[in-house]
Amino acid sequence: DGGITQSPKYLFRKEGQNVTLSCEQNLNHDAMYWYRQDPGQGLRLIYYSQIVNDFQKGDIAEGYSVSREKKESFPLTVTSAQKNPTAFYLCASTDTGTGGSDTQYFGPGTRLTVL
Amino acid sequence: AQSVAQPEDQVNVAEGNPLTVKCTYSVSGNPYLFWYVQYPNRGLQFLLKYITGDNLVKGSYGFEAEFNKSQTSFHLKKPSALVSDSALYFCAVRDNGGDDKIIFGKGTRLHILP
Repeated sequence: DGGITQSPKYLFRKEGQNVTLSCEQNLNHDAMYWYRQDPGQGLRLIYYSQIVNDFQKGDIAEGYSVSREKKESFPLTVTSAQKNPTAFYLCASTDTGTGGSDTQYFGPGTRLTVL
Repeated sequence: AQSVAQPEDQVNVAEGNPLTVKCTYSVSGNPYLFWYVQYPNRGLQFLLKYITGDNLVKGSYGFEAEFNKSQTSFHLKKPSALVSDSALYFCAVRDNGGDDKIIFGKGTRLHILP
């Protein structure tokens, strides 16, 4: 999991609450990603950002929001509009610059449970 | 659009036997191919990748994968399985001519039987 931290490890949310998941990387990577993992469905892309102050929707962006104000940080907010937010959330980053490795490095994940 | 398929939800192998976890892909350009492993309640760990060059790629923990362009496959292999290899394995693909999105397969759970 080196170089990427996610917090908290476990998060509990009540119905109707917004919650924010933290992702920080010290790898100086340009691109960062948020995935959602559900049993039997693999990883689904929520949002990604290729550069500071810019981000794009992934395949399942509804009910989520992100910001990229700093290169090292890419927080994800799960809003009350997300109807089934219970899942394991993974953050990743990639060095997409010239000579970059194209390999995605993942954080340890945050398990979100709606009560 | 790029896609990746892992046709087996689960693979069971006896310890000491060779193992294969299958992956096929579809991209419009040249593929970048990856294998990752995930242990319970952890993030994904990078195993190996194919970008260009030799079709046989060697990676971490004794794993290797063979890129087969004609069959659009990138199967993960290991000559002798260990119980500690039991985990969830993901194949992933990125289109070299596309954006920075990487598409992941649904994963294959590998059980190594002692």
